[in-house]
Amino acid sequence: DAGVIQSPRHEVTEMGQEVTLRCKPISGHNSLFWYRQTMMRGLELLIYFNNNVPIDDSGMPEDRFSAKMPNASFSTLKIQPSEPRDSAVYFCASSLQVVDTQYFGPGTRLTVL
Amino acid sequence: DAKTTQPTSMDCAEGRAANLPCNHSTISGNEYVYWYRQIHSQGPQYIIHGLKNNETNEMASLIITEDRKSSTLILPHATLRDTAVYYCIVRVNSGGGADGLTFGKGTHLIIQP
Repeated sequence: DAGVIQSPRHEVTEMGQEVTLRCKPISGHNSLFWYRQTMMRGLELLIYFNNNVPIDDSGMPEDRFSAKMPNASFSTLKIQPSEPRDSAVYFCASSLQVVDTQYFGPGTRLTVL
Repeated sequence: DAKTTQPTSMDCAEGRAANLPCNHSTISGNEYVYWYRQIHSQGPQYIIHGLKNNETNEMASLIITEDRKSSTLILPHATLRDTAVYYCIVRVNSGGGADGLTFGKGTHLIIQP
């Protein structure tokens, strides 16, 4: 079975550019989570969705960050404009329901120059 | 969610059992103990979880003390591929609370040849 799919795996961009990260959850999973990992802060939750509806976005650092889930098989995390401090690995995870075990994708390594 | 305490790092010889401890002395009655690991440059991987009883699957065993204030993850026959950071997480599985996973610093397990 395919796990959580993320694209791109690596992204290098310049400060001020728009960045879009993509995630395809495991088929049949109703909950989707976006996490960010940095050396300084470790792994932290940014936002999560249940049945395509955002439930908690309190972890989103600034208005420059936005996330959408237009359907059950696709979600995006957008940063506009990007800044060097946004450089991190961004993970997407999905679960059957919010309370169930979360399964993570391989991550997108973002570098903002 | 309750806070967990894990050793920063541990070594284990290849082929031996790796026992990773976790303290969660403030755990509530409805909080589960989850273990994930993160191999370098990969996404976190689910290992096992439990509430009160000991659990075993194809990857590992989880031993939870009777008072639930601590637990041990056991990898019965460690291989070099088990070198990773192991995270112990306690989490309520009832929804309506903090549904994301709160990752601490984890234990860096190094399997020695």
